Amino acid sequence: KQEVTQIPAALSVPEGENLVLNCSFTDSAIYNLQWFRQDPGKGLTSLLLIQSSQREQTSGRLNASLDKSSGRSTLYIAASQPGDSATYLCAVRPGYDKVIFGPGTSLSVIP
Amino acid sequence: NAGVTQTPKFRVLKTGQSMTLLCAQDMNHEYMYWYRQDPGMGLRLIHYSVGEGTTAKGEVPDGYNVSRLKKQNFLLGLESAAPSQTSVYFCASKRRGQGVLEANEKLFFGSGTQLSVL
Repeated sequence: KQEVTQIPAALSVPEGENLVLNCSFTDSAIYNLQWFRQDPGKGLTSLLLIQSSQREQTSGRLNASLDKSSGRSTLYIAASQPGDSATYLCAVRPGYDKVIFGPGTSLSVIP
Repeated sequence: NAGVTQTPKFRVLKTGQSMTLLCAQDMNHEYMYWYRQDPGMGLRLIHYSVGEGTTAKGEVPDGYNVSRLKKQNFLLGLESAAPSQTSVYFCASKRRGQGVLEANEKLFFGSGTQLSVL
């Protein structure tokens, strides 16, 4: 059974710091891995999607990497801003239809 | 382009009452999903559908039923609500990609329904 974990559960950093969020999954047989952002009381917004054949994806200050063999992904946020404060979730597709989520990392960027 | 729309946004039920949550998407997506989100547990898959007229069970299907009579709509029903079903419910949809492009298809979410069962 595919399980997804995220470390840390919560993170508080001062504005301007670079930071790394971690995601681990137990079964390396995945189609892709997707990182989402969730603001309080809102739905999820897709940030980056990495296909199983790819190593990383970048969008602006965000960079996500994937090491499928070790079951790990990292989301790197450069020069953090207060507007980055949110919960970040990773999700893997172990099969053609399902998507399995991790519990999320709650990020707070202090001005 | 509205994307994925969920109704209602908030609802309070008494134990034993029934209700239906509606999810509508205007992106012509084949796949639709219902998740529940509880503190510290992330999103857990309740039921999903890979096309009109089809449904399948996810991780936590007990106490819920679903129907996908039209491609754009996915309904989640609670026949006899219980306090354990107090949660935030999210609907999501995804396009079925062609061949290798399937791995590049993203999941799109609605804004959620906050349900409280007293």
